[in-house]
Amino acid sequence: QKEVEQNSGPLSVPEGAIASLNCTYSDRGSQSFFWYRQYSGKSPELIMSIYSNGDKEDGRFTAQLNKASQYVSLLIRDSQPSDSATYLCAANKAAGNKLTFGGGTRVLVKP
Amino acid sequence: EADIYQTPRYLVIGTGKKITLECSQTMGHDKMYWYQQDPGMELHLIHYSYGVNSTEKGDLSSESTVSRIRTEHFPLTLESARPSHTSQYLCASSAPTGTGTQYFGPGTRLLVL
Repeated sequence: QKEVEQNSGPLSVPEGAIASLNCTYSDRGSQSFFWYRQYSGKSPELIMSIYSNGDKEDGRFTAQLNKASQYVSLLIRDSQPSDSATYLCAANKAAGNKLTFGGGTRVLVKP
Repeated sequence: EADIYQTPRYLVIGTGKKITLECSQTMGHDKMYWYQQDPGMELHLIHYSYGVNSTEKGDLSSESTVSRIRTEHFPLTLESARPSHTSQYLCASSAPTGTGTQYFGPGTRLLVL
């Protein structure tokens, strides 16, 4: 079992709809969680981070964390074709700042 | 946001050549990382450093080596390049305090013929 698991997709979403991405982690010591977006051939860029249970909103993005269920999600509202990318979930181990990345979920937003 | 730079951005080189991929950051981050990523595949951590004169191997075994003589500089070296080393190499850094958010450089695409 991978430490951070994501559905590889592709997740196909109509333009304007909500894209819902899920991520589960196995290490209960994980404290901080990150969502990165990676366009094909480019490097990952941070979308948002979340550390406490509950929701965190930033523009069209909402991250949700449930530590009891070891589950992190990312909602993208009003999806745009420019949101088409691979979304990486990452967890920060309690012992240090080395991130563990999931395999990524590929999102396709269709006009 | 961190300013992190990688050179070269693209490199095509013959088998057996020695190569050094450069990574530098201007934010004073003590922690730096090298990842390897094939197209459409996962990120794999191959090296990391928590400060000057500190280097550790990552989760994926790599024939490359790294050094950390200066805080801002974390070069990666391949003594003898092989076609199996063809990949994208991504450098990242994170701040000494806080939650460990990593900021990535633009990457180096390496093609070994």
